Amino acid sequence: GAVVSQHPSWVICKSGTSVKIECRSLDFQATTMFWYRQFPKQSLMLMATSNEGSKATYEQGVEKDKFLINHASLTLSTLTVTSAHPEDSSFYICSARGERERETEAFFGQGTRLTVV
Amino acid sequence: GQNIDQPTEMTATEGAIVQINCTYQTSGFNGLFWYQQHAGEAPTFLSYNVLDGLEEKGRFSSFLSRSKGYSYLLLKELQMKDSASYLCAVRDSNYQLIWGAGTKLIIKP
Repeated sequence: GAVVSQHPSWVICKSGTSVKIECRSLDFQATTMFWYRQFPKQSLMLMATSNEGSKATYEQGVEKDKFLINHASLTLSTLTVTSAHPEDSSFYICSARGERERETEAFFGQGTRLTVV
Repeated sequence: GQNIDQPTEMTATEGAIVQINCTYQTSGFNGLFWYQQHAGEAPTFLSYNVLDGLEEKGRFSSFLSRSKGYSYLLLKELQMKDSASYLCAVRDSNYQLIWGAGTKLIIKP
């Protein structure tokens, strides 16, 4: 199956700093990428959907100025958590989908465990 | 609104069979997915159903009834490593995945 690589797998940062998470599709062109957040013992919550070359579409309640998403190429999307606070500590997961994958599953990155201290 | 329901937690015995149910109400339907997620890891794809019926893949099978808005994931010959959360997700008319809260499966020796 297709491979999506997410980096870093875990990060600890100080409150007030910014953290960038990368999501790469390694063997296909990801026309659409999804960013999820998952709190302990809860399901995935979609934060935003991004299409290559255009602005991301954020879900209701997600601050677009705090969670900056860039999808500048067909193989890379980044999520930057700006001015992180302890309540932003969570498991962030990206998934990617290409045009040929519309009929199959989206492919997930390994996830990033963010801890803000 | 859109809604996916699945049991919060289930317990089963090693070597046995377990069925995890999922019911859904979504705006449109373009397929139903089952994922396995171990604690602290990203979900991994298990199965995909878009037509009614049973899809079998090794020890795992998935069933779909579109008219009833119902699916189940059947796990046979349970192993301890099957202890995980199982997520049901439906792709709606906008090709967006709507996620269930997941079923935590506990396997006992």
